[in-house]
Amino acid sequence: DQQVKQNSPSLSVQEGRISILNCDYTNSMFDYFLWYKKYPAEGPTFLISISSIKDKNEDGRFTVFLNKSAKHLSLHIVPSQPGDSAVYFCAAKNTGGFKTIFGAGTRLFVKA
Amino acid sequence: KAGVTQTPRYLIKTRGQQVTLSCSPISGHRSVSWYQQTPGQGLQFLFEYFSETQRNKGNFPGRFSGRQFSNSRSEMNVSTLELGDSALYLCASNREITDTQYFGPGTRLTVL
Repeated sequence: DQQVKQNSPSLSVQEGRISILNCDYTNSMFDYFLWYKKYPAEGPTFLISISSIKDKNEDGRFTVFLNKSAKHLSLHIVPSQPGDSAVYFCAAKNTGGFKTIFGAGTRLFVKA
Repeated sequence: KAGVTQTPRYLIKTRGQQVTLSCSPISGHRSVSWYQQTPGQGLQFLFEYFSETQRNKGNFPGRFSGRQFSNSRSEMNVSTLELGDSALYLCASNREITDTQYFGPGTRLTVL
């Protein structure tokens, strides 16, 4: 039972354009959501997060949007750069619980 | 501050053998979580330890076990290895489970 789903295995975007990565979740108990970026041969690194009390969080080129009614979140990268090419994992947790649930990841290719 | 370290980085074993992987968390971090990453499956939660106690466990068979020492270092063990156990095993640490997790580079296990 996949509680966090990233339905697009890969995404290709031109440098300078917007990248939009999507994530859906099923468990309404999740109240904290995160995005991680992973390069080959490295562990995932934290990118940005959002609490369920907000619907938007911005950090430089990265913005995460949360739509609680649709149980959907998205990560926007503007403008996209070749160095953004990586696998992006969406993750969710209940802050009263002990584990974080990850999606399967979306591989982003940013073409120069 | 040194990051999360995992040893060994690469490991090749044959079916039926057992393996022990090690994780040293960031200094001051008491929570250590283990994940299995396979293509298309994302990061699957194995277990989480806090102050030498296992607080949560994922849906893996009993062949997968772990422990945490008083210095917060953690080990995971997989007995009677199967071909399907080939994966990247990631360790993550944080001060408290509510904090952002920091990942190590992973141990790539190949079972022949």
